[in-house]
Amino acid sequence: GAVVSQHPSRVICKSGTSVKIECRSLDFQATTMFWYRQFPKQSLMLMATSNEGSKATYEQGVEKDKFLINHASLTLSTLTVTSAHPEDSSFYICSARPPAGLAGGTDTQYFGPGTRLTVL
Amino acid sequence: GQNIDQPTEMTATEGAIVQINCTYQTSGFNGLFWYQQHAGEAPTFLSYNVLDGLEEKGRFSSFLSRSKGYSYLLLKELQMKDSASYLCAVAGAAGNKLTFGGGTRVLVKP
Repeated sequence: GAVVSQHPSRVICKSGTSVKIECRSLDFQATTMFWYRQFPKQSLMLMATSNEGSKATYEQGVEKDKFLINHASLTLSTLTVTSAHPEDSSFYICSARPPAGLAGGTDTQYFGPGTRLTVL
Repeated sequence: GQNIDQPTEMTATEGAIVQINCTYQTSGFNGLFWYQQHAGEAPTFLSYNVLDGLEEKGRFSSFLSRSKGYSYLLLKELQMKDSASYLCAVAGAAGNKLTFGGGTRVLVKP
């Protein structure tokens, strides 16, 4: 249980275009999903918390108009990088927290496989 | 604020034991997690500690001391496939976000 998928796994786009990344919880419902960004040889940096049916909560320094998050259902959250620039090139990872009762306690997050974004 | 420290790199020999330490200072505490991350892949859950003591799971064990703000991950009988980054993360009291340490890159040599 607790499988999270992400699509696409890799995307290359031109500067100025928008890119949408999907995060799905496959075998459980997730009222909360998280979006992280990871630069090479660095740790995960939380960008925002995605809440089903309400607005996302962004971390300090993350532009909410540039990184649009939509949590349309209990199994799907999307991150859209708008007007992407080369500095947005990074590894984007989503995670979801399954309902209480699974291994690891109520705060355990299970991660998707990540999306590597390259902006030319 | 949240502050989580762990060593940047460690090297060990195949078959040996390695202990990765993690110290934390957080405004709240609702559990400490260890994740393994291979290069270019997403983190995978290894362990969770919320009470003091040692949790053993096969070759991996994790220890927590809340009074000292300290945890360690112990990897026994190291295998080459254990070469990866190991991330320490703490769930704070509010909102259940995870704050990650910088990660420890472990290199297992033959």
